[in-house]
Amino acid sequence: GEDVEQSLFLSVREGDSSVINCTYTDSSSTYLYWYKQEPGAGLQLLTYIFSNMDMKQDQRLTVLLNKKDKHLSLRIADTQTGDSAIYFCAEILPPIYNQGGKLIFGQGTELSVKP
Amino acid sequence: DGGITQSPKYLFRKEGQNVTLSCEQNLNHDAMYWYRQDPGQGLRLIYYSQIVNDFQKGDIAEGYSVSREKKESFPLTVTSAQKNPTAFYLCASSPGEGDGYTFGSGTRLTVV
Repeated sequence: GEDVEQSLFLSVREGDSSVINCTYTDSSSTYLYWYKQEPGAGLQLLTYIFSNMDMKQDQRLTVLLNKKDKHLSLRIADTQTGDSAIYFCAEILPPIYNQGGKLIFGQGTELSVKP
Repeated sequence: DGGITQSPKYLFRKEGQNVTLSCEQNLNHDAMYWYRQDPGQGLRLIYYSQIVNDFQKGDIAEGYSVSREKKESFPLTVTSAQKNPTAFYLCASSPGEGDGYTFGSGTRLTVV
């Protein structure tokens, strides 16, 4: 079945790079997303990547996609204390699939940035 | 500015009561979704609606009900049949299936 896995916690020092990893089980994913959730708030779309791309860069954010290994990562350069949040990866399958057309979320990775 | 609004931000429910969480969007999005979030469990889909007057159950629909009488509104009722309703509830919308979601800021429901 469809499943998205993330490690639950990551701790880094301010100024370092953070790498948040995600694995997914279905190679038919069309888009893969990264969302950020600050405490007590909703989810904010950070970036997304189409499944035929290997990499996407947007300012401090770099998304890498390894389709062979079904592995997605989000790298945050020069991590700041304001980056402390929960980060969710999510995939979308084509509508013909069971659960298709809807976002399937991982459990979220809590990023803690220490000064 | 277009957006999606959830109210109230905090809600307290007594045992045995039904409560309704509001979700309104002015993004002209066709699809709307309700998720429940518990610590360490990510987001679980309760109900979703792809078009007015139509909705489908998600993974954990038992004890919940919804309506979609207007495109802009997708209220969620947490009924007394929901045995463990204390959670953070998130509403989202999207232009259609396959598009990224816009989320509201959430409602935290606590049973007292």
